[in-house]
This record gives sequence, structure tokens and C-alpha cells, in this order.
Amino acid sequence: NAGVTQTPKFQVLKTGQSMTLQCAQDMNHEYMSWYRQDPGMGLRLIHYSVGAGITDQGEVPNGYNVSRSTTEDFPLRLLSAAPSQTSVYFCASKGGTSYNEQFFGPGTRLTVL
Amino acid sequence: EDKVVQSPLSLVVHEGDTVTLNCSYEVTNFRSLLWYKQEKKAPTFLFMLTSSGIEKKSGRLSSILDKKELFSILNITATQTGDSAVYLCAVEAGGADGLTFGKGTHLIIQP
Repeated sequence: NAGVTQTPKFQVLKTGQSMTLQCAQDMNHEYMSWYRQDPGMGLRLIHYSVGAGITDQGEVPNGYNVSRSTTEDFPLRLLSAAPSQTSVYFCASKGGTSYNEQFFGPGTRLTVL
Repeated sequence: EDKVVQSPLSLVVHEGDTVTLNCSYEVTNFRSLLWYKQEKKAPTFLFMLTSSGIEKKSGRLSSILDKKELFSILNITATQTGDSAVYLCAVEAGGADGLTFGKGTHLIIQP
């Protein structure tokens, strides 16, 4: 199993550009989520999904869209990038029950100029 | 609003020392508390705690949860330079809202 994979690893955008961060998992996990990590802020939840076709907002959803058309994939879209979205983005997944740990992908480091 | 507070935010000790990292929380419908280790990449899972007073142990690391006082500690004995990392505490609460993380403790082990 590859676990949770994310692409790209690094990305530089100009303000106003759009892009999609990819996340995929091969563990047949129902639950997937996106976090951003900023210095001194810990990880903060952006969006999450409890299964294909179901998504919901986390703590900091503004400026981001998600969709979940398959169990495996959970892309994160930045509609119009802003410098405040410069961050490291982590995707995570976990199995169906509540008492399982979340597995994190390797992260995408995004810089918005 | 769910809240997780870790202390200290940073800690520098010498190799061989024992350290205790703290995590307190205020959440609605607590389910579990998790500890992660992060070394400049993705967080890696250490422990999940759901019941009070039951110590989880893995090698030189151990952790315990107090659900009455709403805190957990992570102990590392006989520290090594490879223990240098950011240690994250996170809480899973009721519903499907993901994890609420603390800001982390940046631990530096000096040779």
C-alpha cells in the first residue's frame, strides 16, 4: 500500500491563480480530510469528507473547495490564490470507525506570491 | 469552540534527560486524544488514548490521559538526539469534525 499520497510536493502560485492539490489513498478509508499548517498555529482543519459524495467544512474553509467523487481521491481546490494561503497542506485519512488514528500524506508546500 | 493547549511550546534538554510534555483540552463530546511526532514532514502517529488512567507505552515513550482533569502527558525517558521533533497533541470530538490540534511542543535534544 502506498498509503496517503499528495501531489505536488511544492508549488508557487501568483495571487489570483487557481490550482488543485491532489490527495489519494489506497486503504479504502471512508474518512478523508485536509489540514493546513502554519508556523506557530498547529494544524487546522479545512474540509473533510466521511465518504464519497459527502463533504463538509472544517475550521478554515474560506477560499477552498473540495469534492469527493470516489473513495480514493479528495482534491483540494484553491479558486483564487491569496498570499494568506501560503502554507503547508496535509491530507489525511482514516478507517470508518472513530477510534482509529489518522494517516497523513507527505504534504504540499504552497507559496503564493 | 474546541481548544487544545500544549506546554511548553519549546524545550531544550540534554541527551539522557527525561522530558514530560503536557496537553490540556476543552472539547465537546470527547472521543480520543492522539499524540503525533513531526520531523519536518508529515506527522507520524504515536499514541491514541481514550480511557483515563491507562498508560500507553512504546519503548522509551509513554502517555496517559486524565479525563477528569482534561489533560494528557507524554513522557520520553533517556532522550536521544533522534527524539528532536515537534510533538503534536490532537483531540477527536463528537461528530465528524476531524482533529483539533494544539500548537505543538518543539523538543530539541542536545548531545
